[in-house]
Amino acid sequence: EDQVTQSPEALRLQEGESSSLNCSYTVSGLRGLFWYRQDPGKGPEFLFTLYSAGEEKEKERLKATLTKKESFLHITAPKPEDSATYLCAVHLPGGYQKVTFGTGTKLQVIP
Amino acid sequence: DAGVTQSPTHLIKTRGQQVTLRCSPKSGHDTVSWYQQALGQGPQFIFQYYEEEERQRGNFPDRFSGHQFPNYSSELNVNALLLGDSALYLCASQRGNQPQHFGDGTRLSIL
Repeated sequence: EDQVTQSPEALRLQEGESSSLNCSYTVSGLRGLFWYRQDPGKGPEFLFTLYSAGEEKEKERLKATLTKKESFLHITAPKPEDSATYLCAVHLPGGYQKVTFGTGTKLQVIP
Repeated sequence: DAGVTQSPTHLIKTRGQQVTLRCSPKSGHDTVSWYQQALGQGPQFIFQYYEEEERQRGNFPDRFSGHQFPNYSSELNVNALLLGDSALYLCASQRGNQPQHFGDGTRLSIL
């Protein structure tokens, strides 16, 4: 069965303290991996798409990387406004874009 | 440029009732997907509509049904509501295999 697992479930960082979030997957024939940010009471906001092992994408303090079995979301010198739940999702093989989400990592950045 | 819009934002129903949720996709998008997100969980795929047809479905019972209109907007219908149907219902739209963009959801509470 296709699985997406995110760790840790929750992470508390001091402002400026860099860290990484993990997303591991057991999907054969991955067609894409997505990272989303979700604020309380809001829908997920698209951050990145990664398609192949070795690929990296950056946006402000965030950098996403992909290997054959996992993806990392690196957060460099986070600020309180980076506090949110970060969701990883994989595009399953098949004809259409069926997406499976992980349960997310809740990040809290303390000033 | 309006993003994905969903209505209503909140809804309270009782067990056994029926509910209809609505979604207008982002301009230029022709595919709509619906997700159920329980508290503390990632979104779970319900189904996807393209060209007014359901073309993929997740592991949800037939009580969950949908429709897509010629203007690409969509409805999610849930019959015979159960307490366990309480969740945030998210609509996502996309064009082709581009990443999905989400609305802020409808919070459904079942009493």
